[in-house]
Amino acid sequence: GESVGLHLPTLSVQEGDNSIINCAYSNSASDYFIWYKQESGKGPQFIIDIRSNMDKRQGQRVTVLLNKTVKHLSLQIAATQPGDSAVYFCAENIGRSYIPTFGRGTSLIVHP
Amino acid sequence: GAGVSQTPSNKVTEKGKYVELRCDPISGHTALYWYRQSLGQGPEFLIYFQGTGAADDSGLPNDRFFAVRPEGSVSTLKIQRTERGDSAVYLCASSLTVWRSGANVLTFGAGSRLTVL
Repeated sequence: GESVGLHLPTLSVQEGDNSIINCAYSNSASDYFIWYKQESGKGPQFIIDIRSNMDKRQGQRVTVLLNKTVKHLSLQIAATQPGDSAVYFCAENIGRSYIPTFGRGTSLIVHP
Repeated sequence: GAGVSQTPSNKVTEKGKYVELRCDPISGHTALYWYRQSLGQGPEFLIYFQGTGAADDSGLPNDRFFAVRPEGSVSTLKIQRTERGDSAVYLCASSLTVWRSGANVLTFGAGSRLTVL
């Protein structure tokens, strides 16, 4: 079936490095994507979103890139900090559906 | 309140018992979602409310699961005859669905951790 998934379950980086978390999706009807961050014992927290008519969107220290040709989404975190350690999920909305579908997640570990 | 509140934060019950999990969404948010998250997995959709009505309950795994939102605010997820496989974190989220801008950002609560012994 169609699903949202992530390439790497765990990513370890050094503090100060840039991090890139990838996400593949298979449903070409997906038109809205969100990245969420989930810290231990907490619910997912919104980081940044992007609509399918955009290729790139920047926030504070984060950038999301969308490549619709290969159905790939990435989250770039600049100057990664220990506080960025968490599990990161991409989620997609398919068509006009109000229901985000989540992938499995990538655990980001930032070493001081 | 300022965020989505879920109670209890932890619930331990015995197999076969009945459980209720409560969600207080952000005031004014018309959309409310229940998700279930197992260890090491992403949130799995259960049910979505728009106002008082369940607009989509296709994620409920079986008829032991039921959810209500009688006044369009607080919601209760009810699980009958609990099984060990029901053990998970149950997440509630709410949102202002503003499709004119194409945005649908969910605000999640911290979850209710259910353990069925």
